[in-house]
Amino acid sequence: SQQGEEDPQALSIQEGENATMNCSYKTSINNLQWYRQNSGRGLVHLILIRSNEREKHSGRLRVTLDTSKKSSSLLITASRAADTASYFCATDAGTGANNLFFGTGTRLTVIP
Amino acid sequence: DAGVIQSPRHEVTEMGQEVTLRCKPISGHNSLFWYRQTMMRGLELLIYFNNNVPIDDSGMPEDRFSAKMPNASFSTLKIQPSEPRDSAVYFCASSPDRARGYTFGSGTRLTVV
Repeated sequence: SQQGEEDPQALSIQEGENATMNCSYKTSINNLQWYRQNSGRGLVHLILIRSNEREKHSGRLRVTLDTSKKSSSLLITASRAADTASYFCATDAGTGANNLFFGTGTRLTVIP
Repeated sequence: DAGVIQSPRHEVTEMGQEVTLRCKPISGHNSLFWYRQTMMRGLELLIYFNNNVPIDDSGMPEDRFSAKMPNASFSTLKIQPSEPRDSAVYFCASSPDRARGYTFGSGTRLTVV
C-alpha cells in the first residue's frame, strides 16, 4: 500500500510553541501534500511539495521532503489554539494518476 | 465559488435500505473523488473520475457500492443494500489537475442501524 504514516499519532503543545509532524511513505511519488481536518469537517489543503523540491514555506508552515528516505515533515511555527486539528499527509502513486493516498493523521492539540 | 457541495450532511437509515449520497464538484475541476473515513481504516479512496469517466474503482468495497457521474457538475455514490459496517463519513473531493490539491466537501455522516 502507498498509504503514508504520520508520526506522532497525537501531539499536545502550548500556544506559541512549534509543532513538528512527520510522514513516511512507501513508493516513489510526484508530489506530497499536507491537509488539515478540523473535527467534524472536511479536509483542507495546506501545501503541496513536488518530488524535486526539498523545502517549501507558506506563512507559518514549513514542509520538507526527503525522497531518499521517503519522508516529509510539517512544521507549524508559533502555534495558535486555532491550529488544533488533525493533519494528514497525502501522496500520489508516482504515475500519471491523480488519486491521492492519505496517511493516518496526527492529532494536534494546542493549549491556550 | 461555494466549494464542493455534498448532501445530505447526515443520513440515518436502516440496514437493507438504499442510500444515495450526492456531490457537486467545483466548476472547472476535471477530477472527482469519493473517500470514506472511519476511525479504524482512516481515509480510503473508493473511486475517482476524470472528465466524468470512472478511472479507478478498485477501492469500492463490494458490489453493493456504485458511483456515477452523469455530467461534470454532479456525482452520486449509492449503497444498496446498506449494512451497519457501511457507517462512516463519506467525502467527495474535486481537483483541477494532479499538480494541485483537492478541495473536499463537508462530508456525509452515514449511520446504518
